[in-house]
Amino acid sequence: EAGVAQSPRYKIIEKRQSVAFWCNPISGHATLYWYQQILGQGPKLLIQFQNNGVVDDSQLPKDRFSAERLKGVDSTLKIQPAKLEDSAVYLCASSLRTSRETQYFGPGTRLLVL
Amino acid sequence: GESVGLHLPTLSVQEGDNSIINCAYSNSASDYFIWYKQESGKGPQFIIDIRSNMDKRQGQRVTVLLNKTVKHLSLQIAATQPGDSAVYFCAERSQGAGGTSYGKLTFGQGTILTVHP
Repeated sequence: EAGVAQSPRYKIIEKRQSVAFWCNPISGHATLYWYQQILGQGPKLLIQFQNNGVVDDSQLPKDRFSAERLKGVDSTLKIQPAKLEDSAVYLCASSLRTSRETQYFGPGTRLLVL
Repeated sequence: GESVGLHLPTLSVQEGDNSIINCAYSNSASDYFIWYKQESGKGPQFIIDIRSNMDKRQGQRVTVLLNKTVKHLSLQIAATQPGDSAVYFCAERSQGAGGTSYGKLTFGQGTILTVHP
C-alpha cells in the first residue's frame, strides 16, 4: 500500500513570496490533515478535512494560509505572503474514516523562508 | 490550556539496553494516546497506542504504560537497537465535542533517543 505522498520535499523562498504544497493521501482515506512542525517541536494541527469538508481550521492563520481539498482526495496548502516564522516542516497525514483512527504521515515539505 | 509534555528531552542508551521515554499530559478528558517515532527527514511513524480504559499495552519490543492518576504515559523499548534512534513523540486525543467522532490530536515536544553501538 502506497503511503501519503507530498511534494515538493524542500522549498526555499523569500519573505512575502507565495508557496504551495501538495498532498496525496493514502487511497481510500477520507480524512486528511495538515500539520506544521517547527524545529524542535511536535506537529501542530493546522487544518483537518473529512472528504472535501473542513472539520477544524481553528489554528490555521487564515490571513495568509489557505487549504483546499476540492474532490475529496488531493489537497493543497498555500501560504501567501510568507513570513520568516513560517519556516517549518509541513506534514500531511490521512486516516481511513475519522480522526478516531490511526493517522499516517507523509515525509513532509521542509520550508525555509529567508 | 491543554498540553502534552516530556520530562526528558534527550536519552542516550547502549545497544541492547531497555529504554524508557516518559510523557506527562494535562487533559484528563483525553481518551486515547499514541506514540510516534520520527526519524530525520521523515514524517512521524505510528508505534503503539493505548485507550484511556487500559493501563498497559504491549507490541513488538515496545510497551506503553498509562497512569491516569498522575497523568503519565511511558514508552518502553526492549533491547534497544541503533535503528531505534529517533525523536519520539507522545500525542493525546481529546474526546469529540457534542457526541461527534471528531477528536483533535495534540503532540508533545518530543524526546531524542540516541542508541550507541
